[in-house]
Amino acid sequence: GNSVTQMEGPVTLSEEAFLTINCTYTATGYPSLFWYVQYPGEGLQLLLKATKADDKGSNKGFEATYRKETTSFHLEKGSVQVSDSAVYFCALMGGSQGNLIFGKGTKLSVKP
Amino acid sequence: DTGVSQDPRHKITKRGQNVTFRCDPISEHNRLYWYRQTLGQGPEFLTYFQNEAQLEKSRLLSDRFSAERPKGSFSTLEIQRTEQGDSAMYLCASSHSGGGKNTEAFFGQGTRLTVV
Repeated sequence: GNSVTQMEGPVTLSEEAFLTINCTYTATGYPSLFWYVQYPGEGLQLLLKATKADDKGSNKGFEATYRKETTSFHLEKGSVQVSDSAVYFCALMGGSQGNLIFGKGTKLSVKP
Repeated sequence: DTGVSQDPRHKITKRGQNVTFRCDPISEHNRLYWYRQTLGQGPEFLTYFQNEAQLEKSRLLSDRFSAERPKGSFSTLEIQRTEQGDSAMYLCASSHSGGGKNTEAFFGQGTRLTVV
């Protein structure tokens, strides 16, 4: 079945540092890929998405490119802020299954 | 539309009791999902509906769990004979599927269940 593997945290960075959170997936067919974010005390929010190979999703300075050849969807941001501290989840939908499958999440802490 | 809403937000129950949660999806969404999330873990898929049809159930969904979406709008998730291991955040999400495309899933704030 479909699955998502993302790098384990926690990740601690200083403000303005570069962020990469790795995500790889296993799926049959052509899934859509997502990054969701969960800020402290809040619900899951969609951060960005990509629906086909080579698409780049972007939002709030975050970017991720759907790489079919490496089955990856790594999240990047050039300069993180304290307000980016949250848990980030990589997810996929589609392929052979209709539900949304999540990775285990990566907790990011950004220090001033 | 105010998004996906879940009720109650918090529930404390004694072991062995039954509990029921409600989810109201975004009105034009035909898909509705239930997930469970425990501390430090990602959401685990439980089940999903397209309109009123329950299309998929996870092996996590034991016989004590049942979900319904009788009119293709709101959904309920019932847990019978609760156990302490059922303590978790129960998340509902909705999306729209049609014309070969799926929109992203929008999540509610969740129902936090504590079994004592």
